[in-house]
Amino acid sequence: SQTIHQWPATLVQPVGSPLSLECTVEGTSNPNLYWYRQAAGRGLQLLFYSVGIGQISSEVPQNLSASRPQDRQFILSSKKLLLSDSGFYLCAWKNTGGQIDTQYFGPGTRLTVL
Amino acid sequence: QQQVKQSPQSLIVQKGGISIINCAYENTAFDYFPWYQQFPGKGPALLIAIRPDVSEKKEGRFTISFNKSAKQFSLHIMDSQPGDSATYFCAAKGPLGQFYFGTGTSLTVIP
Repeated sequence: SQTIHQWPATLVQPVGSPLSLECTVEGTSNPNLYWYRQAAGRGLQLLFYSVGIGQISSEVPQNLSASRPQDRQFILSSKKLLLSDSGFYLCAWKNTGGQIDTQYFGPGTRLTVL
Repeated sequence: QQQVKQSPQSLIVQKGGISIINCAYENTAFDYFPWYQQFPGKGPALLIAIRPDVSEKKEGRFTISFNKSAKQFSLHIMDSQPGDSATYFCAAKGPLGQFYFGTGTSLTVIP
């Protein structure tokens, strides 16, 4: 069966510090991968999605970046965090192609920037 | 720009009642419309989904109604239970595999 992992689960970082959040998927190959941010009481904002290794599409211009160094690994990074980067970060995956469009979410990372 | 608009923001329903959440979209290239349920501190989980060639889909107490011409779809929760209290999100999938989510509806079912 497929499993999606995210770490860390919680993170408190000062403004201006770097960020690295990691997401890995097990039990599938060549998945579509996604990063979302959910601000308190808000909906999910699509940040990045990837349909393959090294292929990253950005939805919202900001100080975040994403990378996919391996087929089932997706990393969200920042060189300098802003207060507005606080939120709940969710990674998700979906099978590529076919008729199955179900998107599965990880447990999330709660980021607080102080 | 919000690709998918969702209402209401919050909803309070008596146990046994019907909960109705509505969503609207503009992009006719969207080809898959899921609903997700999220409990506090957890990631969203797929509840039910529909494709635009179908007008209604029912799974247990959950029904999606889809109006392609109006570009609207809704979630109906029949016989609502306190355990259904959660935040519900509608979403739409674009042709490149990207998903756009509504802003969420916080549902509270009163015993």
